[in-house]
Amino acid sequence: QQPVQSPQAVILREGEDAVINCSSSKALYSVHWYRQKHGEAPVFLMILLKGGEQKGHDKISASFNEKKQQSSLYLTASQLSYSGTYFCGTKKTSYDKVIFGPGTSLSVIP
Amino acid sequence: DVKVTQSSRYLVKRTGEKVFLECVQDMDHENMFWYRQDPGLGLRLIYFSYDVKMKEKGDIPEGYSVSREKKERFSLILESASTNQTSMYLCASSPGGYTEAFFGQGTRLTVV
Repeated sequence: QQPVQSPQAVILREGEDAVINCSSSKALYSVHWYRQKHGEAPVFLMILLKGGEQKGHDKISASFNEKKQQSSLYLTASQLSYSGTYFCGTKKTSYDKVIFGPGTSLSVIP
Repeated sequence: DVKVTQSSRYLVKRTGEKVFLECVQDMDHENMFWYRQDPGLGLRLIYFSYDVKMKEKGDIPEGYSVSREKKERFSLILESASTNQTSMYLCASSPGGYTEAFFGQGTRLTVV
């Protein structure tokens, strides 16, 4: 099943923070985050494996709570370049394929 | 840099035509994927391949087939295009273990 993402869309002013959530009804092995800017290909941000580790990528970080089958992506002090659609993808096992969520549209305005 | 190249950015085809979408990757990746992207639905997996001549159905394979004769090339075939196959098609590749995937620029297909 496709993971659920929330919110569907969010508008931020530069410098504000945002959180994007991804949840699944099934136990997860890993969560994958991608960003797609308008008219471009999706680009990999990070993978989180079960074990609850938190990862960071510049001012973008993420956590994975395997008990709740949830992951959250944290965008701190947002920049105009953060605008785009954020997709989470989930895997149930290490050899499974990634199933992507519907995406969260994030717009950062001056 | 990994490069995944899709043969066309835009295509317009007529209903009933046989359509070929081509994808080439230059990083010797084992896995290749075809996704369809529609507003509000995210990236839905059509087919994937984990080796030459090997393929598996994804979540929405109906109306599509694939071919992987060489490791670097993965083709998506619409046997008889229909208007409900109008969409953005994205190809991706990844090394073994289904880790980071690299996407192509996409082909926007319109079936009229």
